[in-house]
Amino acid sequence: DIQMTQSPSSLSASVGDRITITCRASQSIRTYLNWYQQKPGKAPRLLIYAASSLQSGVPSRFSGSGSRTDFTLTISSLQSEDFATYYCQQSYNALQITFGQGTKLEMK
Amino acid sequence: EEQLVESGGGLAQPGGSLRLACEASGFTFGTYAMSWVRQAPGKGLEYVSGISNSGGSISYADSVKGRFTISRDNSKNFLSLQMNTLRAEDTAVYYCARLARTGDPFNYYHYMDVWGKGTTVTVSS
Repeated sequence: DIQMTQSPSSLSASVGDRITITCRASQSIRTYLNWYQQKPGKAPRLLIYAASSLQSGVPSRFSGSGSRTDFTLTISSLQSEDFATYYCQQSYNALQITFGQGTKLEMK
Repeated sequence: EEQLVESGGGLAQPGGSLRLACEASGFTFGTYAMSWVRQAPGKGLEYVSGISNSGGSISYADSVKGRFTISRDNSKNFLSLQMNTLRAEDTAVYYCARLARTGDPFNYYHYMDVWGKGTTVTVSS
């Protein structure tokens, strides 16, 4: 199975900050990498698919990059509604998907 | 509106069974692969099982293989998860998610773009 490792596990930041979350795959997954946002008590929400494609309706302050084993999610200017937990997910094999362990973004 | 609604969660005893259902609406269900994802209390997301649009391809996480069975009824727009021999560690919120894809037949990208609100499964004596 492909393992996904996110860093950091938690992050404190302020409104207006630029933040980056990293996700590393245990083997090359080309660009089969997605990012999700989850708020407490809610279902996850797709932000980025195929490593860098912005899902419809997602603000442009979110961006993704990377390929093979190393990926990043960047929020260019944090807004109050962005404080949440973020997960990466590999879909190299469409029916053998794995998630990263999550990164909790908290207000400083 | 594209929507997924889960049902069937509840309290089960260790060794018991539950059957989860997910009703789809607002899109052509039979053209999408579907999946179940769970989240134990205070933990991260865990992929449980997936099924292709026709039902011909199925996968399971190692943690549920041999105990859970995924199925779908495209005529009724329903996805199901039969959970047998339940364990305490199966306690979680279970989400149904649509697996959309983009690209070409040599390079499809899959992602979960529509999610249900989840149904809670508690395994306890």
